This record gives sequence, C-alpha cells and structure tokens, in this order.
Amino acid sequence: SQQGEEDPQALSIQEGENATMNCSYKTSINNLQWYRQNSGRGLVHLILIRSNEREKHSGRLRVTLDTSKKSSSLLITASRAADTASYFCATARKGGSEKLVFGKGTKLTVNP
Amino acid sequence: EAQVTQNPRYLITVTGKKLTVTCSQNMNHEYMSWYRQDPGLGLRQIYYSMNVEVTDKGDVPEGYKVSRKEKRNFPLILESPSPNQTSLYFCASSSVFTTTNEKLFFGSGTQLSVL
Repeated sequence: SQQGEEDPQALSIQEGENATMNCSYKTSINNLQWYRQNSGRGLVHLILIRSNEREKHSGRLRVTLDTSKKSSSLLITASRAADTASYFCATARKGGSEKLVFGKGTKLTVNP
Repeated sequence: EAQVTQNPRYLITVTGKKLTVTCSQNMNHEYMSWYRQDPGLGLRQIYYSMNVEVTDKGDVPEGYKVSRKEKRNFPLILESPSPNQTSLYFCASSSVFTTTNEKLFFGSGTQLSVL
C-alpha cells in the first residue's frame, strides 16, 4: 500500500532555479527518506530525517518535516542539468512491519 | 567497492519459463529486499529478509519466491512468469533495518519482459 505521495508528479525548471518537491504520508512514521533515481537506474539515498527533526541540510538539499501535517518537502537550490532525475520519498512506519514504503515520485527536469 | 549487484540487467522470457534474478551485496548487510517498479505505481515491495533464513512478504508477493541461505545473496525466483510480471526489478540492502535510521542501497535494476 502506498504511504507517501509526492507532489507535483512532474516539474520542469531552468538551471539555477530552485526546485521544491513535496511528500505527504498517512500514518505515523519513524523517519522519512528521500531518494533520487536517474532514468531506469537504481535509487540513490539522498537524505534521512527523523520524526523528531524539523529540518535537515545536505549540500544543496534542504528537507523539512512537519509531522502535524504529515508532510515533507525537498528543496534543491541552484539546480543544475545534472539534477534531472526522479525523486522519491520513502517512509518507515512507526509500529509497523520492517519495511520502507515509497511514493510514486516527482520527475524533475532541469533545462540548461 | 560497496555495492549491490543484480543480474541480469535485461531479461526477455516467455510465459511459464522459470527464471531467477540474482542479487548479491558485499557490505555484510543483514536486511535485503526486492521491489518492482511500474509506471504510475512507483516502487512496490515484493519480499524482504531481515537475516539469513528469515524472509517475509511485502505488498505484492504473489507469483514470486525468495530464499536467503547466505547473508550476501537474495535471489528472486519466478516459478511460472506471466506477462503482468513484466517490470523493472530492484534489489536493495541495509545494514540493520531498525526503521529508525537505516538507508537502503539499491542495485542497478533488472528489466524483465515476459512475452
């Protein structure tokens, strides 16, 4: 069953602009993670934020988590053409089975 | 180099012909999992394993089998493949899956087509 839902489904921006992707989920979580997937390739872990954290940074990435709204956002600043990929949020449910549940992803295109 | 290796990368087969997709990790990870990815449906978990000889069903286990006889290997078996199993498959592993702070490492994927 799908837990996280990303929004928008697709996003197209110009190089240098910021890209914001959102993720909403349904149940209480232990942590939320963001992954990146280049076309048809394996997913790569970007960042993990725990349920007791509100914001986390990693290079040009900024992730926020609002557990009251059951939502998270991923901000990529000063985007580059190489950031073109699909981005997925994944949630580890609190008190549930030991598995990470992925959303359907946001396809980001950064135009040079 | 730490990695999860899947083979084959591409596979075309016919309905009913048994096949195995191999997955191996060299990171001594306890947790391994299989996902399938389909357009519009995202990634869905097929099976997972918390450790050797411990496996459990994910969200879409029908038509698949797995085994975990060794820590490093977690093959996915399709006893009688059908066209609705045409998909992109990913194996993933994690050191200890506690649902608190462990990230997954993914293989490069296996594109399976069942005719």
